Amino acid sequence: NAGVMQNPRHLVRRRGQEARLRCSPMKGHSHVYWYRQLPEEGLKFMVYLQKENIIDESGMPKERFSAEFPKEGPSILRIQQVVRGDSAAYFCASSLGLAGQETQYFGPGTRLLVL
Amino acid sequence: GDSVTQMEGPVTLSEEACLTINCTYTATGYPSLFWYVQYPGEGLQLLLKATKADDKGSNKGFEATYRKETTSFHLEKGSVQVSDSAVYFCALSSGGYNKLIFGAGTRLAVHP
Repeated sequence: NAGVMQNPRHLVRRRGQEARLRCSPMKGHSHVYWYRQLPEEGLKFMVYLQKENIIDESGMPKERFSAEFPKEGPSILRIQQVVRGDSAAYFCASSLGLAGQETQYFGPGTRLLVL
Repeated sequence: GDSVTQMEGPVTLSEEACLTINCTYTATGYPSLFWYVQYPGEGLQLLLKATKADDKGSNKGFEATYRKETTSFHLEKGSVQVSDSAVYFCALSSGGYNKLIFGAGTRLAVHP
């Protein structure tokens, strides 16, 4: 049973470009969470999605960031017009979302570097 | 709002020494508590968890007990190995959506 998959593992962008990060949850998981980890810091919640729905985006910056989890295919975190402050590791986690089985399993992360 | 505070690192120990990493939390309701471990360049791996007061989570020789009276979830191991060198994160699940609130992480370095 494959774990959570994220790609790319490393992404380099110049200021003003777009970054697109992909996350495939574990098989059977329909709940996806995105977190951001700034250098030498803990992870901060960004957004929680279920298939075709954004459930909680309270941690998302108001501008330039968006997320989706379509009916088919991976979840996408999109950052438009990147700035140097967006450089971070972005982690995706998935869960079954059932009561008593809420444990989140994390992917290896995408490390974004903005030049 | 909900928060997690864990001891600052780095923690440097010799092999076979005892380990304690303190973690306290502030939360409304009754959160589940977790310890995750992050090895260099990798994602987070669930180490152990506890879902209610007085529960003890354990895995790979690590233990932590959910103490509601002291709002704590300290991580302990009786004898550390070099391979335990990593960053350890304490976390709680918050609210109906189970989003995780993380502490800042504690780096552990174990020397032979």
